[in-house]
Amino acid sequence: QLQLQESGPGLVKPSETLSLTCTVSGGSINNRSFYWGWIRQPPGKGLEWIGTVYYTGSTYYNPSLKSRVTIFVDTSKNQFSLKLSSVTAADTAVYYCTRHEALNWFDPWGQGTQVTVSS
Amino acid sequence: DIVLTQSPGTLSLSPGERATLSCRASQSVSSSFLAWYQQKPGQAPRLLIYGASSRATGIPDRFSGSGSGTDFTLTISRLEPEDFAVFYCQLYDSSSFTFGPGTKVDIK
Repeated sequence: QLQLQESGPGLVKPSETLSLTCTVSGGSINNRSFYWGWIRQPPGKGLEWIGTVYYTGSTYYNPSLKSRVTIFVDTSKNQFSLKLSSVTAADTAVYYCTRHEALNWFDPWGQGTQVTVSS
Repeated sequence: DIVLTQSPGTLSLSPGERATLSCRASQSVSSSFLAWYQQKPGQAPRLLIYGASSRATGIPDRFSGSGSGTDFTLTISRLEPEDFAVFYCQLYDSSSFTFGPGTKVDIK
């Protein structure tokens, strides 16, 4: 059964770069059928797609975040990662990693990791 | 950009009742690209429906999806106690992925 697990700092200072990694187990990130995505959810709010990566390194980003986002894959470790630069309090959220099936729907999801932007 | 609207914002029902949730797109979309998710407090979202009407693996058949064009519906035929949650629709369009604001189904 495919499982995803987010990891990274829970506290980031304003203007710094948020870095998270998602470790995939129970399946290969090299599977040509799947993409891999990041989604976030600010406290008490809805879901926002951040971006998606393919095992080849091809990426798709939310236009509203594109200037600050980098997503990349490490196939040797079966991981993919998110970097979000110049963070502000508005980037405080639970960040989820997920398999992005057929570049269409998201399933399954990691349990999520809380990231707070504060000095 | 296509905007998704969900209604109602909150639906108060009793176990055993039927729930009908609406997701409306600001312009016509392909039903192939419409999905529904359930999120319980403190948990990650769970895929319920993809392609507007296909149930995801392990999803009970009391959950069904329908619709086309701009109007899509998630129906829960008989609410079980574990079904009370927030439900989101999600759309793929022009290499971008958008979620609706959600409908909360709570216990009346």
